[in-house]
Amino acid sequence: EVQLVESGGGSVQPGGSLRLSCAASGFTVSSTYMSWVRQAPGKGLEWVSVIYSGGSTYYADSVKGRFTISRDNSKNTVYLQMNSLRTEDTAVYYCASDISWGQGTLVTVSS
Amino acid sequence: QPVLTQSSSASASLGSSVKLTCTLSSGHSGYIIAWHQQQPGKAPRYLMNLEGSGNYNKGSGVPDRFSGSSSGADRYLTISNLQSEDEADYYCETWDRNTRLFGGGTKLTVL
Repeated sequence: EVQLVESGGGSVQPGGSLRLSCAASGFTVSSTYMSWVRQAPGKGLEWVSVIYSGGSTYYADSVKGRFTISRDNSKNTVYLQMNSLRTEDTAVYYCASDISWGQGTLVTVSS
Repeated sequence: QPVLTQSSSASASLGSSVKLTCTLSSGHSGYIIAWHQQQPGKAPRYLMNLEGSGNYNKGSGVPDRFSGSSSGADRYLTISNLQSEDEADYYCETWDRNTRLFGGGTKLTVL
């Protein structure tokens, strides 16, 4: 069974950093593309970043230069390093493959 | 980049059918989309991929009541024999130039 489990969310002040993790089971993260998608409170889905099987990475303009996506094949885990966080980054962050979603982890950026 | 347009809300009676629409912007009518369901307070769930030809592939465990179809730039999600658990937000999604794009979502109310 395919499963994605996110962790690492929490509360942080503006300008702070967090690292989100997405542990996968039932498939290999390096064999497909993996995305981070976020959802601000009461809003729709917003794509954040993707890492392809070959290692190429892409970012939404709103996070470019501040967020970094990576993966550890030995741990079958994908990460999202978030730096210089802003209040508008407050959202539930979901890890997703092409056909599976994690349960999400809440990031709150507030002073 | 394509823009995906969805009605903000829809409603239908228990046991009836409803057809949700996702419209691709001009020049992008050939794009494949995906439909996702998000029940209240839960993570999104992948429902299906849908081609411009009308061919679709559903995710594991998606009930037969869910089907897809296409006409030009319009992509449809039809839910038959509506159940109370179908009350949810429904998002369409596509890819363009390494970017994952989402429609604004349709909130479906089951009366």
